Amino acid sequence: EAQVTQNPRYLITVTGKKLTVTCSQNMNHEYMSWYRQDPGLGLRQIYYSMNVEVTDKGDVPEGYKVSRKEKRNFPLILESPSPNQTSLYFCASSSLRDSYLVEYFGPGTRLTVT
Amino acid sequence: AQSVTQPDIHITVSEGASLELRCNYSYGATPYLFWYVQSPGQGLQLLLKYFSGDTLVQGIKGFEAEFKRSQSSFNLRKPSVHWSDAAEYFCAVGLLTTSGTYKYIFGTGTRLKVLA
Repeated sequence: EAQVTQNPRYLITVTGKKLTVTCSQNMNHEYMSWYRQDPGLGLRQIYYSMNVEVTDKGDVPEGYKVSRKEKRNFPLILESPSPNQTSLYFCASSSLRDSYLVEYFGPGTRLTVT
Repeated sequence: AQSVTQPDIHITVSEGASLELRCNYSYGATPYLFWYVQSPGQGLQLLLKYFSGDTLVQGIKGFEAEFKRSQSSFNLRKPSVHWSDAAEYFCAVGLLTTSGTYKYIFGTGTRLKVLA
């Protein structure tokens, strides 16, 4: 089944404790991205990647890191999480060969930083 | 700057009534246009998409959207709303940046409530 998977789905952590949220897709998509969703603000793109070893900042990259060492994986790293990073996070992927560039979303990761 | 505006934060309609959700974008060219739906506690599901061709686009669940270049709009419509349509709806654009990459911008969402 074609899908985007994220782990963990739920995470509660404390300020300053480094964490990684994994994202993997099995559709051979070139493009992957991370979003955060906050009430009243919709989804905001954190980072995106056009292909392996190519990453770019989205609209809200501060406090986050990403890497794209393999085509299928795009982990999101919070080196020193803070409470303002409490949010719902979505990973997405799309094929640059698709004439519509449709993004396919993972199920989301709900992160709470205390 | 590029942006997507959904002017209605909340909309309430009666079951069986028609629905129109508004979306306007700011971008110099025609972007890739999308509508997604998010049911409570769920992820995002694509309703429909547009890039070129016929400006009236049919999607899943009986939804349609019309692209109007002159108004930079991509409004979502449904002729008869069902109680199961209660959800949050997001308009999004995909656009080419000046550095040759693609990025996506989402609107802030419209939450639809359906009255029985």
